[in-house]
Amino acid sequence: AQSVTQLGSHVSVSEGALVLLRCNYSSSVPPYLFWYVQYPNQGLQLLLKYTSAATLVKGINGFEAEFKKSETSFHLTKPSAHMSDAAEYFCAVSARGGTASKLTFGTGTRLQVTL
Amino acid sequence: DTAVSQTPKYLVTQMGNDKSIKCEQNLGHDTMYWYKQDSKKFLKIMFSYNNKELIINETVPNRFSPKSPDKAHLNLHINSLELGDSAVYFCASSHSPGLVSEQYFGPGTRLTVT
Repeated sequence: AQSVTQLGSHVSVSEGALVLLRCNYSSSVPPYLFWYVQYPNQGLQLLLKYTSAATLVKGINGFEAEFKKSETSFHLTKPSAHMSDAAEYFCAVSARGGTASKLTFGTGTRLQVTL
Repeated sequence: DTAVSQTPKYLVTQMGNDKSIKCEQNLGHDTMYWYKQDSKKFLKIMFSYNNKELIINETVPNRFSPKSPDKAHLNLHINSLELGDSAVYFCASSHSPGLVSEQYFGPGTRLTVT
């Protein structure tokens, strides 16, 4: 079984500051990991995904995440926050192989960006 | 053009009623999903279909019945609605389920049961 834990349900940063959203995973098999963003009243949009190629994954809107097997982590970062980054962010894990690609989501982290 | 669309966007109904939510994707994907997002924003998969065949069926009350008339459509019918069914329901689609491919989400249907 796979699961992800997102530390911090709410993170607040100043515009221009570093964004760090934490995600730890648990998986009995090598995982695929994802970060999705949800803007208010919208569906989810993929930011980036880890599929065992490079451990440092770059995504859209300047976000990146690093897969660290030793720490079972996949934290999301962005060097400089922008007001438009305010949204809900979800980490998700999917088991490799099998006949179905089932995403298991974390509980989400709301990012607030202040002036 | 909308990739994954859902209708209706909002649905308000009374307990005991039966309602349906429709989903369509024009991405040519083989696999479609239904997710439920509760009031605390927790997202959980309910069902998945691949080429009209049910491949994921999580622990969901049998009042919920998905139907896939073709691989571009996945509808969700809910019988005897209960207060606890109030949530946002998201449809998603992706390429073959055995591969790691991005799931594209629809805008959601906010269901309110009174």
